[in-house]
Amino acid sequence: QKEVEQDPGPLSVPEGAIVSLNCTYSNSAFQYFMWYRQYSRKGPELLMYTYSSGNKEDGRFTAQVDKSSKYISLFIRDSQPSDSATYLCAMSGDGKSTFGDGTTLTVKP
Amino acid sequence: GAVVSQHPSWVICKSGTSVKIECRSLDFQATTMFWYRQFPKQSLMLMATSNEGSKATYEQGVEKDKFLINHASLTLSTLTVTSAHPEDSSFYICSAKTNRGFGYEQYFGPGTRLTVT
Repeated sequence: QKEVEQDPGPLSVPEGAIVSLNCTYSNSAFQYFMWYRQYSRKGPELLMYTYSSGNKEDGRFTAQVDKSSKYISLFIRDSQPSDSATYLCAMSGDGKSTFGDGTTLTVKP
Repeated sequence: GAVVSQHPSWVICKSGTSVKIECRSLDFQATTMFWYRQFPKQSLMLMATSNEGSKATYEQGVEKDKFLINHASLTLSTLTVTSAHPEDSSFYICSAKTNRGFGYEQYFGPGTRLTVT
């Protein structure tokens, strides 16, 4: 069993929709949670990071962490075609991050 | 934000030759850098963790004699693919960890696409 499981997708939504991307994990030592966005043929780009349970908001993006359920989510409001990319969750407890396999999102105009 | 560069962005080489890829942190010092490879439509596969001034730590199944990593300074790490073969063709991405933020986030380079013919 993988330490980090990410909803595989792919996900296709119309422009303006709210998108929910999700990951679960099994390692209780994970304390730090990150979301990356990767466009095709590019390196991943850090979107958000958080430490504690709860919500963290940055513009149209909200990262949610529920440590009791070992579940994290990234919500994208008012999704745009430019949000079309692969989203990777990542977690760390000892300095080395463990990544999910990614969810590919397509936002259709 | 923290910027990481990679050079070259793509390279084509003949089977049996060696290729060196550079990874630089441009506006911060990175005590730890990571090297990943990624196949099409697949996730990142960690190859090794590189700490400045010490030997790299390789993940299980990664040949350390084939993938030579040198973290020569706090801003530069290199990956050399020795005696490259077509099966080494892949997208190689480096990342660097910074003490900014909470110190666990990684900043990635743009990647290097290697094609071995």
